Amino acid sequence: DIQMTQSPFSLSASVGDRVTITCRASQGISNSLAWYQVKPGKVPKLLIYTASTLQSGVPSRFSGSGSETEFTLTISNLQPEDFATYYCQKSYGAPFTFGGGTKVEIK
Amino acid sequence: QVQLVESGGGVVQPGKSLRLSCAASGFTFTHYGMHWVRQAPGKGLEWLAGIWHRGDNANYVDSVKGRFTISRDNSNNTVYLQMKSLRADDTAVYYCVKDRYSGYERRAKFDYWGPGTLVTVSS
Repeated sequence: DIQMTQSPFSLSASVGDRVTITCRASQGISNSLAWYQVKPGKVPKLLIYTASTLQSGVPSRFSGSGSETEFTLTISNLQPEDFATYYCQKSYGAPFTFGGGTKVEIK
Repeated sequence: QVQLVESGGGVVQPGKSLRLSCAASGFTFTHYGMHWVRQAPGKGLEWLAGIWHRGDNANYVDSVKGRFTISRDNSNNTVYLQMKSLRADDTAVYYCVKDRYSGYERRAKFDYWGPGTLVTVSS
């Protein structure tokens, strides 16, 4: 099965910063990648699918890029409500494996 | 609006079985695939199983194959997760998730999540 590896494990940033999270697939997955945001006590929220398509209602400061084995999630102008854990997910062909998560904390 | 409500969680002894249910409403249930995802305490998200819209195909992560079974009742808009031989490391919040796709596409897009139900495996 294809493994999904995220980096960094966690990061500290300030409001207004630009943050980049990387997700690597152990084999090429074309653009079959989604990003989710998870806040404590809240339900996971789909942010981006097919690597770069913003889900309806998601602020445009979130963006995704990449293909095959390397993908990035970028949050520009980080806002207080963006402090959360972010997960990538392989989205074609089961198992739909998640990455290990990246926690974005307040500096 | 889309609603997914899980039930059936609780405390269960190691080796025992438990069945989770997820009641769906607010969308045409028979059009979409459904999944179960869990999050153990302090850990990340883990996709467990998915079932196609007609219930004629299902997939599992290797770690639960043979122990967990996903099924659905399209007449009652409900998806189930039957879990057996439970272990301490099955302790987690279990989420019912709606797919934007039916399953035949082999794609997944998890657009709605239930609030989750906590399963604690402990003696």
